[in-house]
Amino acid sequence: QVQLVQSGAEVKRPGASVKVSCRTSGYGINNEHFSWVRQAAGHGLEWMGWMNLQTGNTAYADRFQGKVTLTRDASRNTVFMELSSLRFEDTAVYYCASGGMYNWKFWGQGTLVIVSS
Amino acid sequence: DIHLTQSPSTLSASVGDSVAITCRASQSVDTWLAWYQQKSGTPPKLLIYKASSLESGVPSRFRASGSGTEFTLAITNLQPDDFATYYCQQYHKSPWTFGQGTNVEIK
Repeated sequence: QVQLVQSGAEVKRPGASVKVSCRTSGYGINNEHFSWVRQAAGHGLEWMGWMNLQTGNTAYADRFQGKVTLTRDASRNTVFMELSSLRFEDTAVYYCASGGMYNWKFWGQGTLVIVSS
Repeated sequence: DIHLTQSPSTLSASVGDSVAITCRASQSVDTWLAWYQQKSGTPPKLLIYKASSLESGVPSRFRASGSGTEFTLAITNLQPDDFATYYCQQYHKSPWTFGQGTNVEIK
């Protein structure tokens, strides 16, 4: 049984950064791609980028290039998504997802990030 | 970016009904299209991949078809568990993009 467990909700000031973790269990982490998808009210679902856990390779959607950094700690079966220069419009639920490179059968429970002054 | 437009945005139906949701792409995505179901407060659930392939464990009352720019998700014999929001997603060309969603609500 594959499980993705994400870190808890965060409240951040504009201009700050946030780092969300996603710990996986029940699967060979080194053979997996992990994507991050965000869901903001009124903006639907947006794919942000993925990381190949075996190679460390990453790919980002253009609009998140320079805004998002994906990293991993293979020893802890954990991937991280860091979002910088936070703006009010970055308020959203952030999901990690795996099970494929292009579409995803396993999802974390989501992490709510609130940007508020 | 490839833009996906779903119709209708909202669909009202009753248990036992059959419904269909359309997803139109701004350019061809071949058959690189997936469908997800999402309920409030939970992550999306993969239903269909490669336009028409049913994900393991998904009931056969979900059927999907299409290629190129037009795709359909059909649900027959709607069950109470099926009332949710449905999204299409293309993975033909990065960035992978989603439709805006179709809310299937109880009539």
